[in-house]
Amino acid sequence: KAGVTQTPRYLIKTRGQQVTLSCSPISGHRSVSWYQQTPGQGLQFLFEYFSETQRNKGNFPGRFSGRQFSNSRSEMNVSTLELGDSALYLCASSLGASGTYEQYFGPGTRLTVT
Amino acid sequence: EDQVTQSPEALRLQEGESSSLNCSYTVSGLRGLFWYRQDPGKGPEFLFTLYSAGEEKEKERLKATLTKKESFLHITAPKPEDSATYLCAVPETSGSRLTFGEGTQLTVNP
Repeated sequence: KAGVTQTPRYLIKTRGQQVTLSCSPISGHRSVSWYQQTPGQGLQFLFEYFSETQRNKGNFPGRFSGRQFSNSRSEMNVSTLELGDSALYLCASSLGASGTYEQYFGPGTRLTVT
Repeated sequence: EDQVTQSPEALRLQEGESSSLNCSYTVSGLRGLFWYRQDPGKGPEFLFTLYSAGEEKEKERLKATLTKKESFLHITAPKPEDSATYLCAVPETSGSRLTFGEGTQLTVNP
C-alpha cells in the first residue's frame, strides 16, 4: 500500500510570495492533518480536514489555509510568506479523526523563505 | 491546558546499553497515546498506540508502557540504527487533534 506522498519535497521562496503544498493520503484514509515543524517549536498543528470539511484549526494566522478534495487529497496554502515560515511542513493521514486513529506521515516539504 | 512533556531532551547510549524515555501528559480522560520515531529530515514513523493504563506493546527492541500519568518507551540492547528522535502525542481533551511532545533525541554509539 502506498504511503502518504507530499509534493514538492523542497521549495525556496521569497518573502511576500505565496506557496501551495500538496498531500496525497493513503488510499482509504479520509482525514488529513497538516503540521509545521521547526527546531525551536517542535510539531505544531495547523489544521485537519475530514471529508472535505475542516474539523480543527491550530493557532496560526489566516495566511495559512487549506482544503481537501473529494478524493481526500489536500493542499495547504501560505500567502505573503515571512522568513519565520521556513520549516518542514508535514502532512499526515488517518482512517478517521486524528485523535482516535493513528496518523501516518508523509516525508514533508522543506520550505525555505529568503 | 493539555500538555505533553518528554524527558530527557537528549540521550546518548552505548550500543547494548538499555534505557527508558519518558512521556508525561496532563489531559483529562486519556483516549490514547501515540509513539513515533523520526529520522532527520523525514516524517515521523508510527510505532505504537496505547489506550489504557497497564497496557504494553513491543516491537523489536522497543517496548512501550502506559500509566495514568505517563508513558515509557523502553529500549533494550539498542543498536546504532535506533538513533532517532522519539515523539509521543495525545489527543486533546477538548477535541480530536493531537498534541505532540518536543521529543527525545536518542543517539546510540557503536
